[in-house]
Amino acid sequence: AQTVTQSQPEMSVQEAETVTLSCTYDTSENNYYLFWYKQPPSRQMILVIRQEAYKQQNATENRFSVNFQKAAKSFSLKISDSQLGDTAMYFCAFMKHRGGSEKLVFGKGTKLTVNP
Amino acid sequence: EAQVTQNPRYLITVTGKKLTVTCSQNMNHEYMSWYRQDPGLGLRQIYYSMNVEVTDKGDVPEGYKVSRKEKRNFPLILESPSPNQTSLYFCASRTGSDTQYFGPGTRLTVL
Repeated sequence: AQTVTQSQPEMSVQEAETVTLSCTYDTSENNYYLFWYKQPPSRQMILVIRQEAYKQQNATENRFSVNFQKAAKSFSLKISDSQLGDTAMYFCAFMKHRGGSEKLVFGKGTKLTVNP
Repeated sequence: EAQVTQNPRYLITVTGKKLTVTCSQNMNHEYMSWYRQDPGLGLRQIYYSMNVEVTDKGDVPEGYKVSRKEKRNFPLILESPSPNQTSLYFCASRTGSDTQYFGPGTRLTVL
């Protein structure tokens, strides 16, 4: 079974600075997807970024980028120029590539606080 | 606007009183699922559906039922709710590119 581990329960960063959230996963699959979701106080789950395992190039979405290390099974999220609106829970998630139930397996989350 | 909707958003009920949480998506997605979120446990899948009339259990299906009679709707049914089903529930649907989109969540309290 796949597992996703987020080792940082809480983090904080000053506005305009850069922060990196860690995520590691365990799988025997070769084809899969990785995601970062943001959950602000509104509780809405918002997709931040996704990465296909077969792509070596790291995904980037504006101020958000990932460092995907397939061999190390690591998938960290870097937030540049942090903004107050980035304050949220961040969840790392894994999904097999159309191999069965195709569920998202989530880590337990990292609570990020951006300080003014 | 493409979206996943859930109703109700908040519900307080008593043990044993049957309830249904509705989920609807307007994106013609084939795959839909239900998750529950509990503190310290993250999100866990309850049930999923690959298409109309095709449903299967996720990781925590006990005490829940689902149905998929139409492609757009995927209701979650609690026949006899218990306090351990107090949780935040999310419905999600998936595109062909495997990105899942979530509804706004339903906060359920069972007394």
